[in-house]
Amino acid sequence: EIVLTQSPGTLSLSPGERATLSCRASQSVSSSYLAWYQQKPGQAPRLVIFGASNRATGIPDRFSGSGSGTDFTLTISRLEPEDFAVYYCQQYGSSRTFGQGTKVEIK
Amino acid sequence: QVQLVESGGGLVKPGGSLRLSCAASGFTFSDYYMSWIRQAPGKGLEWVSYISSSGRTTSYADSVKGRFTISRDNAKNSLYLQMSSLRAEDTAVYYCARYMILPGDAYRAPSDYWGQGTLVTVSS
Repeated sequence: EIVLTQSPGTLSLSPGERATLSCRASQSVSSSYLAWYQQKPGQAPRLVIFGASNRATGIPDRFSGSGSGTDFTLTISRLEPEDFAVYYCQQYGSSRTFGQGTKVEIK
Repeated sequence: QVQLVESGGGLVKPGGSLRLSCAASGFTFSDYYMSWIRQAPGKGLEWVSYISSSGRTTSYADSVKGRFTISRDNAKNSLYLQMSSLRAEDTAVYYCARYMILPGDAYRAPSDYWGQGTLVTVSS
């Protein structure tokens, strides 16, 4: 099973700042089958990025994904108030597993 | 618009059974792979199972294999999860989610739409 480790656990930032979230896999994720989801309290997760770098429908361009192999990054260029949430990475190339999440909170 | 609405959650004793349902609308249900994903209270996400668009192919997480059965009725636009031999560690919100349609293997896709979830509590 591919284990995904996200860091940091919590990111404390102010609106307008840049957020950089990391997702590291225990084995190479084939063909960049890597997604990022956003989850707000009491809500279902929302797909943000798929294929490591493709924005999902309706996702603003301040969100970007990068990486390959075992190291992936989600970047939010300028945080808006609605971006504060928990973010999960998921690999779907070999069965599917999720990271433990990174909480982006208001500083 | 795409809608997924889960139902059937509730309180069940350890060793008991429960059947979850997910009613789909706003898209051609029979074209899509579907899955169940769960989230224990205050915890992260765990994929549980998926089913192919035809229903002929299924897959399960090791944690539920042999105890849970996923199925679908394309005529009723509905997805199901039959859960048996339930344990305390199965307590979670269960989400129904749709796989995106992408080039390549249909089962290698992220989930682009999710329901709001239904809570299953396993406790004596």
